[in-house]
Amino acid sequence: LAKTTQPISMDSYEGQEVNITCSHNNIATNDYITWYQQFPSQGPRFIIQGYKTKVTNEVASLFIPADRKSSTLSLPRVSLSDTAVYYCLVAPPGTYKYIFGTGTRLKVLA
Amino acid sequence: DADVTQTPRNRITKTGKRIMLECSQTKGHDRMYWYRQDPGLGLRLIYYSFDVKDINKGEISDGYSVSRQAQAKFSLSLESAIPNQTALYFCATMGTGSYEQYFGPGTRLTVT
Repeated sequence: LAKTTQPISMDSYEGQEVNITCSHNNIATNDYITWYQQFPSQGPRFIIQGYKTKVTNEVASLFIPADRKSSTLSLPRVSLSDTAVYYCLVAPPGTYKYIFGTGTRLKVLA
Repeated sequence: DADVTQTPRNRITKTGKRIMLECSQTKGHDRMYWYRQDPGLGLRLIYYSFDVKDINKGEISDGYSVSRQAQAKFSLSLESAIPNQTALYFCATMGTGSYEQYFGPGTRLTVT
């Protein structure tokens, strides 16, 4: 499984766009990039998944450059309720084993 | 009703006691997982199961055992609890070929 590297923490203000970058230099050809969100004392929740270029849903956008060695999760106009830990995972679809690193702790300030 | 439920939600037990954490799901998924999370750390995989007859160890299985009683039920046991097993435990499910895991609300276990 590809190793991922994310910033440990980030601060932002309400209404701003937040971009969290994940590095995955040894991503494999059939690996997908998946992001999860975890609020304190809750289980992680799936946010978005992509393979290349750009994916957008009602919650976030995921930007993946052509070499796929990194990806950026973009949260538009964050609010206080977006304060959470965000995990970047890289694995083939249907894998039996995901590796959750320590994630990026995002704190949104008023 | 929640798709993935865990019982109990909180538990305090003493060193040496046997304890079982239970997980049930209504999503019809064949894959089920147990993770533990320590403060400030990510999730670590304890055991996973592809179906009732297929159970596999994860990265930190020592001191734990599991039972897949049915497709919908996956239990985690601590045969003889020790203080460093104090953690937040999560159960998760995933459908075959899917990429999305669904997590339960977690069980906060304290071993004194």
